[in-house]
Amino acid sequence: AQSVTQLGSHVSVSEGALVLLRCNYSSSVPPYLFWYVQYPNQGLQLLLKYTSAATLVKGINGFEAEFKKSETSFHLTKPSAHMSDAAEYFCAVTRGGSQGNLIFGKGTKLSVKP
Amino acid sequence: DGGITQSPKYLFRKEGQNVTLSCEQNLNHDAMYWYRQDPGQGLRLIYYSQIVNDFQKGDIAEGYSVSREKKESFPLTVTSAQKNPTAFYLCASSARRALQETQYFGPGTRLLVL
Repeated sequence: AQSVTQLGSHVSVSEGALVLLRCNYSSSVPPYLFWYVQYPNQGLQLLLKYTSAATLVKGINGFEAEFKKSETSFHLTKPSAHMSDAAEYFCAVTRGGSQGNLIFGKGTKLSVKP
Repeated sequence: DGGITQSPKYLFRKEGQNVTLSCEQNLNHDAMYWYRQDPGQGLRLIYYSQIVNDFQKGDIAEGYSVSREKKESFPLTVTSAQKNPTAFYLCASSARRALQETQYFGPGTRLLVL
């Protein structure tokens, strides 16, 4: 069965520092992986997705993620944090079989200190 | 301007009352989804629909019902059987219910119990 684990429910970085949000997945089939961002009291917005075309995926707002099959990971990074990056981030994997439904991790809340 | 709208933004439910959350999309998407979000729990799938007049239960369907009479509309009813309805409800849609398809989210409805 597919599952997603996000390590760290809260991550705090200083403005200008590297952002690293961790996501590990479990999948019995080649996975499709997604990162979404959620600002307070809003819906989710897609940051990027991995669909097997390239292992390094670039997304919006300067974020990128690298698919590492050997480590079953899809960590999200950004070289330099900005105050506007403060939000909650969700990693998701497509449920297996013929379904297109997503299984979400529990989220990581990112705080950015000035 | 294409997108997903959810109404109302806030909804209050009294004991024993059924309430209906609205979700409308003008993206011409075939598939629509309802998720429930609780703090620290990520998103959990309630119901999904691949096509008009067809819908399937997700992981936590008990106490909820849906209909899909029109392609653009997927209302969710929270029935009195749902004993813990307080949560943030998110509607999403995708062009198709396929593994690599991106789900696009509405702004959400927060349901509170009086």
